[in-house]
Amino acid sequence: EAGVVQSPRYKIIEKKQPVAFWCNPISGHNTLYWYLQNLGQGPELLIRYENEEAVDDSQLPKDRFSAERLKGVDSTLKIQPAELGDSAVYLCASSLSGENIQYFGAGTRLSVL
Amino acid sequence: SQKIEQNSEALNIQEGKTATLTCNYTNYSPAYLQWYRQDPGRGPVFLLLIRENEKEKRKERLKVTFDTTLKQSLFHITASQPADSATYLCALDMGASKIIFGSGTRLSIRP
Repeated sequence: EAGVVQSPRYKIIEKKQPVAFWCNPISGHNTLYWYLQNLGQGPELLIRYENEEAVDDSQLPKDRFSAERLKGVDSTLKIQPAELGDSAVYLCASSLSGENIQYFGAGTRLSVL
Repeated sequence: SQKIEQNSEALNIQEGKTATLTCNYTNYSPAYLQWYRQDPGRGPVFLLLIRENEKEKRKERLKVTFDTTLKQSLFHITASQPADSATYLCALDMGASKIIFGSGTRLSIRP
């Protein structure tokens, strides 16, 4: 069974440019998460979806970040415009609804120059 | 707000010894506590989950304890091997599919 798939693995952009990350969760997992991880830190939740509904987006900087999960499967996280401080690893995870264990993708490492 | 502290940024031990990692938290105790392993360039991988009414949980060479009085969890790897070298993350399960991660401890096992 395939795990959580993220693309791209790496992205380098100039500041003020837009960027998008894609995530395909494990089949059957209704809950999808986007996390941000800075170097030497643990993952920090940006947004959580139950199916296609964003049920927790309190930590998402909505002035520049947006996310969508159309049809309740794949998800896209977008930053527009990117700032230098957005350089980090963006992780996607999924789980079965109501389950505690999360399964993570390998992440997208973003560098903003 | 809930805070999590993992004992040190890095821990270096000799192969064969027992590695002990500490996770302390403030405020209210979660119903569950999880431990994850993260290798460089990879996402975290779930290892163990312990419930608040469980004192100890084991899986092969791994052991986790959970003391709600001390607000602390200990993570042990016995007979450590170089392949155990990784960052270990403690995570508080706040319920409703929400978990909060600590900053992790980078464990290095030298041959």
